[in-house]
This record gives sequence, C-alpha cells and structure tokens, in this order.
Amino acid sequence: QAQLQESGPGLVKPSQTLSLTCNVSGGSLSSGGYYWSWIRQHPGKDLEWIGYIYPSGSTFYNPSLKSRVTISLDTSTKHFSLRLSSVTAADTAVYYCARMKSSSMTIYYFDLWGQGTLVTVSS
Amino acid sequence: DIQMIHSPSSLSASVGDRVTVTCRASENIGRYLNWYQQKPGKAPKLLIYAASNLQSGVPSRFGGSGSGTDFTLTISSLQPEDFATYYCQQSYSMPYTFGPGTKLEIK
Repeated sequence: QAQLQESGPGLVKPSQTLSLTCNVSGGSLSSGGYYWSWIRQHPGKDLEWIGYIYPSGSTFYNPSLKSRVTISLDTSTKHFSLRLSSVTAADTAVYYCARMKSSSMTIYYFDLWGQGTLVTVSS
Repeated sequence: DIQMIHSPSSLSASVGDRVTVTCRASENIGRYLNWYQQKPGKAPKLLIYAASNLQSGVPSRFGGSGSGTDFTLTISSLQPEDFATYYCQQSYSMPYTFGPGTKLEIK
C-alpha cells in the first residue's frame, strides 16, 4: 500500500523560496496513470490545487501560482518536490502531496494523500 | 476557474440521522465531481468519485448523486466517526477546484 510523506521547513521568511519534498513509499513514481500533485489548505480551510507532475515530466500549474511554482520529480529517490518562490504571508498553509489518478471514466481524483505539513511565512 | 459552492456551510445532526450535503458548480461539469471527508488535523479522504461511485473501502452508508451543476452527498445513517468536514471537487476543467466545505457537527 503506497504512502506519501511530506518534509521540509515549517518556517519560511517573506520573499524567500518554500521548498517541500514528498517521499513515496510502497509504490513507484514511475507508474503510469498517476499524477503527482501538491495541494494546500489555508488556515481558513479552503483547499487549493497547486499543480501536478507526470512521470514523463509534463506538468500543470494553477495559473494563480504559475509564475512562482516548480514541481519536479526524481524517480530514483522516489520523491517529488515543490518550490514556491517569493512567498508572502498569504502562502501560509498546510501543504499536502497527493496522488491523482483517473478512473476508466476519465475522471481524475485525489485518491492518496500525505499527512500534510504546516508552512508558516513570517520574518 | 469553476466555482464550487456548498450548502449548508455547517450542519448539526444526531447519530442515526440521514444527512444530505449539497454542492453546486458555477457551470455544467457533467458528472466530474468528487467528494472528500476531512477530520481535524488529518488529510482529506476520498469518498465518492464521478458523482456516485463509492471509493474502495468507504462504507455503503455514503452515497452521491447529481449531474450538471447540482450534486448531493448523502449519509444514510450517521455514525459517530462521520462528524467531519465534507468537500466537493470538480475535475471537469483545470485548474481543478474544491468547494469551501460543509462542517457536520454533533447536535
């Protein structure tokens, strides 16, 4: 049974770059049909999809964050990463890594999540 | 972006009650709608995908229906472990978006 686990600094200074890693255990990042995603949840509870990376290297980023986001993947070390540049207090949130997959009906959904990690942006 | 709206935003109910949560999309999304349950301090958990398909391992008291813009999540007989926040999410158009959630509380 695959599991996801986020890691990274819990505190980032304004204007710096937030960097998080998601380790995948019990499964393979190279498996076709899975899209490796990042989602965040602000303290007020809204969930926001940041984007995904596919094993081929193709990515999608939410236009609201696109200019600041990079998601990368390392199949040899079984982890994928998030970088968010020029952070402000508005980027304070719980960040989740998640697996997105599609059913035979071509609908995509997030079927596996990490436990989440709180990142606070503050000086 | 497609906006998702929940109603009600919060709901009080008792163990054994039948409960319905509604989600509305700002445009027609067919049946590209998923439901998640989140408990405090935990990650969301997938309950329903494609509007009415029960995710493996999810109890059969959970059910989903709807298409187009209006969707419902029904819990047929509330159990103590069902008190949580429920979110809908559309997978019709990127970026995929979530609703603000309905918090289900104990009466």
